[in-house]
Amino acid sequence: DTEVTQTPKHLVMGMTNKKSLKCEQHMGHRAMYWYKQKAKKPPELMFVYSYEKLSINESVPSRFSPECPNSSLLNLHLHALQPEDSALYLCASSQAPPPGSLQYFGPGTRLTVL
Amino acid sequence: GNSVTQMEGPVTLSEEAFLTINCTYTATGYPSLFWYVQYPGEGLQLLLKATKADDKGSNKGFEATYRKETTSFHLEKGSVQVSDSAVYFCALLTQGGSEKLVFGKGTKLTVNP
Repeated sequence: DTEVTQTPKHLVMGMTNKKSLKCEQHMGHRAMYWYKQKAKKPPELMFVYSYEKLSINESVPSRFSPECPNSSLLNLHLHALQPEDSALYLCASSQAPPPGSLQYFGPGTRLTVL
Repeated sequence: GNSVTQMEGPVTLSEEAFLTINCTYTATGYPSLFWYVQYPGEGLQLLLKATKADDKGSNKGFEATYRKETTSFHLEKGSVQVSDSAVYFCALLTQGGSEKLVFGKGTKLTVNP
């Protein structure tokens, strides 16, 4: 099973809402990632978790708060977002922290901030 | 720094035409190279990979060869189908501590019947 699942598939939220994106994998991977993808652009790395610890934060605003409760789950908590945060949010996982580890991507959550 | 440059397109072909999407890279060390494909409204799927010089990755009729001398990883397919219409991303993953997958800007391919 080489599947990464993400919920919800679509999310619409207001700027005062609090919501969470969820990602799950059962491949035994110990590295998990959040990416943000704007329309017609490549994915941009936001966060990397390695063995359930945050190892990379790409200077992401604090209104995005990641959480890795266990080795299979990754959450992204959202609060006080701006309309420009509307994008496709992709989760990925890999067997071990890189270098050289293949990343498997989920289908993404399409977020719209009104 | 590490970077990937790929032809931006869009590329429009007729079914059964030959496809080439150019990709060149700049990296320190010896990166692993990937092609990912993104179908409309979906996430990224790994298409193929190569981890060292002269490796050839192949999948679903697509091929790419890791050329260290030209720092290239061009994607080719001999006969495209309408179902190949998607955005293709070339990417590299560096060795030695960096955990970042560096993407090219993506090339949109449209195949017409």
